[in-house]
Amino acid sequence: AQSVTQLGSHVSVSEGALVLLRCNYSSSVPPYLFWYVQYPNQGLQLLLKYTSAATLVKGINGFEAEFKKSETSFHLTKPSAHMSDAAEYFCAVTTSGTYKYIFGTGTRLKVLA
Amino acid sequence: GAVVSQHPSWVICKSGTSVKIECRSLDFQATTMFWYRQFPKQSLMLMATSNEGSKATYEQGVEKDKFLINHASLTLSTLTVTSAHPEDSSFYICSAGDSQELLNEQFFGPGTRLTVL
Repeated sequence: AQSVTQLGSHVSVSEGALVLLRCNYSSSVPPYLFWYVQYPNQGLQLLLKYTSAATLVKGINGFEAEFKKSETSFHLTKPSAHMSDAAEYFCAVTTSGTYKYIFGTGTRLKVLA
Repeated sequence: GAVVSQHPSWVICKSGTSVKIECRSLDFQATTMFWYRQFPKQSLMLMATSNEGSKATYEQGVEKDKFLINHASLTLSTLTVTSAHPEDSSFYICSAGDSQELLNEQFFGPGTRLTVL
C-alpha cells in the first residue's frame, strides 16, 4: 500500500525567502513521485516528477525537489518565493503498472509582501 | 504536451436535473481516465477509473448509479451526475493517462464547477 503525507497544511513565507514544502511517502515498491500546483478554480499543473532517474529533479518556475530514499521524502523547494507562487500544492505517488495516484492533503502556500 | 480539456468549465442546475461533464484528451490517446471530486480547501478525491470500452471502476462510497461514467472512445470520457442535489455541488476534475506514456503520468483537465440550486 502507498501513502503520502504533506506536513503543514499552510505555509507562509516572505517574498524572496526560501520555499520548502514537505512530502513524505510510503511505498513497498519503487515510487514515482509528482508535485502539482493548483490555482483557485483551476486544474492541476505539473511542477515536476521523479521517475527513478536523477534524484534531484528540476521543474518549472524555479522549483526543484530531491528524492531521498533513506528518508522517504520528496520535499519541494524554491530559493526565492514570488507572489505568484501563492497557491495550493499537492504531492502524489504512484508506481509502475498503474496510473492510480495517491494524493497528499495539500499545502497552501502564502507569500507575504 | 498532453492536453486535457473539460466542458463545461462551470454549470449551474436545478435540483433533480442531470448534468453531463465531458473530458477530452486533445492530442493523445487515453486508455485510462480518472474522475476526481474536490471540496473547498481539500485534496482531490478519486471517484472512479474508466478504461476505454469497459465499465468504470468506482471507489468505495461512490454511487455508480448517481455518477454515470462512459468512456466510449480513446479521447472522450463523460461523467453524468444524475438527479443532482445541492450536496453534489463541487469541483470535478478529470485526468487522463497517455497510452503511449510509460511513466504513468496523469494529465489533468481544468475542472468543472458544478452548483446545484
